[in-house]
Amino acid sequence: GENVEQHPSTLSVQEGDSAVIKCTYSDSASNYFPWYKQELGKRPQLIIDIRSNVGEKKDQRIAVTLNKTAKHFSLHITETQPEDSAVYFCAASTSNRGSNYKLTFGKGTLLTVNP
Amino acid sequence: NAGVTQTPKFRVLKTGQSMTLLCAQDMNHEYMYWYRQDPGMGLRLIHYSVGEGTTAKGEVPDGYNVSRLKKQNFLLGLESAAPSQTSVYFCASSWPGAVTYEQYFGPGTRLTVT
Repeated sequence: GENVEQHPSTLSVQEGDSAVIKCTYSDSASNYFPWYKQELGKRPQLIIDIRSNVGEKKDQRIAVTLNKTAKHFSLHITETQPEDSAVYFCAASTSNRGSNYKLTFGKGTLLTVNP
Repeated sequence: NAGVTQTPKFRVLKTGQSMTLLCAQDMNHEYMYWYRQDPGMGLRLIHYSVGEGTTAKGEVPDGYNVSRLKKQNFLLGLESAAPSQTSVYFCASSWPGAVTYEQYFGPGTRLTVT
């Protein structure tokens, strides 16, 4: 089955700096890569996703890059703000009916943005 | 729309007791999932359903059973609770399509087994 590794497990940055979280996956058939943000005590919520036919996707201060050859993808947050502090999860999926759209999650990165 | 809701929010069980967690969604989603979240372990899939009347095992199904008698509800059962089942349980639903494969999560149930 799919295996997703996520690094680092914790990340502390100063407000205004950039943050980068990296994930690798094992199944070359995976074609959908979402990122979820989970604030303390809350539910995970999708913040951005990318499909394998795209190398990069951007949404305001967040961006995701995908390298299919190396089987890794990264989340980039620029101009970090205290409200970006949360746990971030990457995930991978072979998104088709055969896989039932199941997600395999990384273990998470605790991002702390210091004012 | 309420989205995805879970009942109860908190529960404490003694070893050997049973309970059922209820997940309900009002988005007419076909797919529903149960995850458990433990510190440092991410989200791990317990069971899932691809439609009313169907269920399937995920990554960590042992000790749990599920049922999907109605499209909007997905029940997770613990027949004989063990301390190893102390966790936060999240339900999610989705309608995979051309536009999005997003899974929408419920607020979670914090279960403690003593």
